[in-house]
Amino acid sequence: GIQVEQSPPDLILQEGANSTLRCNFSDSVNNLQWFHQNPWGQLINLFYIPSGTKQNGRLSATTVATERYSLLYISSSQTTDSGVYFCAVGDNDMRFGAGTRLTVKP
Amino acid sequence: DTAVSQTPKYLVTQMGNDKSIKCEQNLGHDTMYWYKQDSKKFLKIMFSYNNKELIINETVPNRFSPKSPDKAHLNLHINSLELGDSAVYFCASSHRSPGELFFGEGSRLTVL
Repeated sequence: GIQVEQSPPDLILQEGANSTLRCNFSDSVNNLQWFHQNPWGQLINLFYIPSGTKQNGRLSATTVATERYSLLYISSSQTTDSGVYFCAVGDNDMRFGAGTRLTVKP
Repeated sequence: DTAVSQTPKYLVTQMGNDKSIKCEQNLGHDTMYWYKQDSKKFLKIMFSYNNKELIINETVPNRFSPKSPDKAHLNLHINSLELGDSAVYFCASSHRSPGELFFGEGSRLTVL
């Protein structure tokens, strides 16, 4: 099955810093999605982005499907950005990476 | 007006018991899923239903049985619960299979 690797596994930032999270996948896919799991366990949709670039406020994402990776950019990070960020990819079903645990310190 | 809702949110039970988790979506989606999140936060797909038909059944013990009475509901029944079944179970739906996933809030199952 498809392999999904996320990096870094852990990231600690000071409030206001920028960061880039990466998702690599082993096969061509038609679906890719980024999620944020907040400290209360909720999985929140960030982007559905099989290809191209999208932006939503301080967050943006880029997927280069031909090179099998996606990037999630967080600018001017806030403490509420803390949590685990997952990417999920697939064709017949969506497979998750192990996540990047982000801690933003005040 | 929750899009994907699961009940119960918390479930504590003894080994050997049978329990069910219910899921309902009001998004009009055709496909519903169950995912399991273990203690290390890893999310793994268990089942996928499209219009009440099973389309994905990962390597899951047959003690786990999904049931879809209609395309808006996908319930998960677990027989003879074991300690290793303790996890958070997430229901999700998408317009097509696969497609953009929308998750419920999760059901935390603790087996004692």
